[in-house]
Amino acid sequence: NAGVMQNPRHLVRRRGQEARLRCSPMKGHSHVYWYRQLPEEGLKFMVYLQKENIIDESGMPKERFSAEFPKEGPSILRIQQVVRGDSAAYFCASSPDRPNTEAFFGQGTRLTVV
Amino acid sequence: KNEVEQSPQNLTAQEGEFITINCSYSVGISALHWLQQHPGGGIVSLFMLSSGKKKHGRLIATINIQEKHSSLHITASHPRDSAVYICAVPLIYSGGGADGLTFGKGTHLIIQP
Repeated sequence: NAGVMQNPRHLVRRRGQEARLRCSPMKGHSHVYWYRQLPEEGLKFMVYLQKENIIDESGMPKERFSAEFPKEGPSILRIQQVVRGDSAAYFCASSPDRPNTEAFFGQGTRLTVV
Repeated sequence: KNEVEQSPQNLTAQEGEFITINCSYSVGISALHWLQQHPGGGIVSLFMLSSGKKKHGRLIATINIQEKHSSLHITASHPRDSAVYICAVPLIYSGGGADGLTFGKGTHLIIQP
């Protein structure tokens, strides 16, 4: 059973381009969470999704950021018109459909905006 | 909304020393997580606990639900334990446990040989 898979591991984008970050949860996991870790800062919650539904997006910036978790395929975090301040590590985590379970994290995608 | 405080922020110790990292949170929780992150690396879940104590190798985690406090201990510390240790609790206590997490700022641990 592979762990949470994120790709790419490193992504470089020029200002104004779009960044697409992918997360494949562990097999059997239907809950996906995205977190952002800015340089020298702690992890912050962005969004919580279940298949085809956004459950909580209270941590996601209102502009330029969107997330989806389609019926088939990985979860995607999309950042449009990237700016230097978007440079960060973006982590995905997944959990199964029951409460109080361990958090399983991916290796993260390190986005650099130049 | 839950708030998490960790201490110390930075800790340097000699190999073999007993290490304690503390975590306090503001709102009742269903479970607390201890995570480990190496520089530039991914995040590994060490423990998830909702009561009492758990042990895995040289790592021990305890939690006091009434006092809203948890500790992570490392016995016989080794340079390979050098990492950032992060405490996390559910963002909003709903009792369901499927919420996103909120995190402490992390404890940067360095174990010198």
